[in-house]
Amino acid sequence: EAGVTQSPTHLIKTRGQQATLRCSPISGHTSVYWYQQALGLGLQFLLWYDEGEERNRGNFPPRFSGRQFPNYSSELNVNALELEDSALYLCASSLEGVWSNQPQHFGDGTRLSIL
Amino acid sequence: GENVEQHPSTLSVQEGDSAVIKCTYSDSASNYFPWYKQELGKGPQLIIDIRSNVGEKKDQRIAVTLNKTAKHFSLHITETQPEDSAVYFCAALGANQAGTALIFGKGTTLSVSS
Repeated sequence: EAGVTQSPTHLIKTRGQQATLRCSPISGHTSVYWYQQALGLGLQFLLWYDEGEERNRGNFPPRFSGRQFPNYSSELNVNALELEDSALYLCASSLEGVWSNQPQHFGDGTRLSIL
Repeated sequence: GENVEQHPSTLSVQEGDSAVIKCTYSDSASNYFPWYKQELGKGPQLIIDIRSNVGEKKDQRIAVTLNKTAKHFSLHITETQPEDSAVYFCAALGANQAGTALIFGKGTTLSVSS
């Protein structure tokens, strides 16, 4: 069974640009989660999508947004990039939403570097 | 909202020794506590999880204990091996400002020397 896949592996942008990161969940999983892992800050919850709807978001500004497609894949968009957005962005998926206590399984992330 | 504290931030042990990582959480309504292992260049991998109706769970050399009264849970690794070297994260499913989310500790870097 294929795991969570993310693309691209690395992304280099400059300040003010926009970035799009993509995630394909494990087959059969309907919930997708996005996390930011910045150096020294651990994993910070960003967004949760389930059945095409945004269900919850972490303490991040509105320039972080995303969507989930009918096939349950997802993309994360970051507008007006700032230097502090440099981080590893991780996507996770689960069979059902957080209310079911189903385990979240992670991809290997997209390394976003802002120059 | 939920807050998870993890200790220690770094842990060095000799091969064959045991390692213990401890986490505390603040939201008494939290009921799901997973542990993840992250190797260099990889995403976090779920290694064990525990739900609030259970006090202890074991899987081979790995065990997790949960004390709901004290709001803390611990990861125990016995007979450590060099391949156990990685960053370990605890997490708690609790409340954030907009609903329920998995809140992570800041991680423990475990080094096992042979």
